Amino acid sequence: GAVVSQHPSWVICKSGTSVKIECRSLDFQATTMFWYRQFPKQSLMLMATSNEGSKATYEQGVEKDKFLINHASLTLSTLTVTSAHPEDSSFYICSAREGNPYQPQHFGDGTRLSIL
Amino acid sequence: EDQVTQSPEALRLQEGESSSLNCSYTVSGLRGLFWYRQDPGKGPEFLFTLYSAGEEKEKERLKATLTKKESFLHITAPKPEDSATYLCAVQAGKIIFGKGTRLHILP
Repeated sequence: GAVVSQHPSWVICKSGTSVKIECRSLDFQATTMFWYRQFPKQSLMLMATSNEGSKATYEQGVEKDKFLINHASLTLSTLTVTSAHPEDSSFYICSAREGNPYQPQHFGDGTRLSIL
Repeated sequence: EDQVTQSPEALRLQEGESSSLNCSYTVSGLRGLFWYRQDPGKGPEFLFTLYSAGEEKEKERLKATLTKKESFLHITAPKPEDSATYLCAVQAGKIIFGKGTRLHILP
């Protein structure tokens, strides 16, 4: 149980293009979804938190116009990296949680984004 | 300031050599402490949730314990497939992840 699917797993694109990453909870309803960024040998850096049907809450230093988050349903959240540049290259991971903050987050397998 | 510190950063063990990983925390209003396993190029896999001091959880060769200031992840007779990065996370107002312990089990 508690499976989170994230697609694509790997994407390479040219500088200036926009990239959309999908995150789906397959067997539970995700009240809250999270987006993280992870650099090599570093821990997870929370980018934003979203609740279904509400605007996402972004962490300090994360550009909301750069990283667009949509949480349109209880099973789907998307992250769009707009006008991506090489410095946006990273490993992006989503997670989903059912219910209150006492419950664990369940993670997707991440998306490796490379901007040329 | 809320903080989570994991030690050691890296640990190499022989197969069958038991050991413990530490997660120390200072937060206000602990709602839960979570342990995850992360393999290279993958997202973290949920292992355990601990809610109160004295609580223990077990799964195969892993056992997690919690005190008011720290949590331990005990690994008994590890196998090479236990090699991974183990992450500790604390949920207070926000969730805070430690930097992880990279565990390598030598056959």
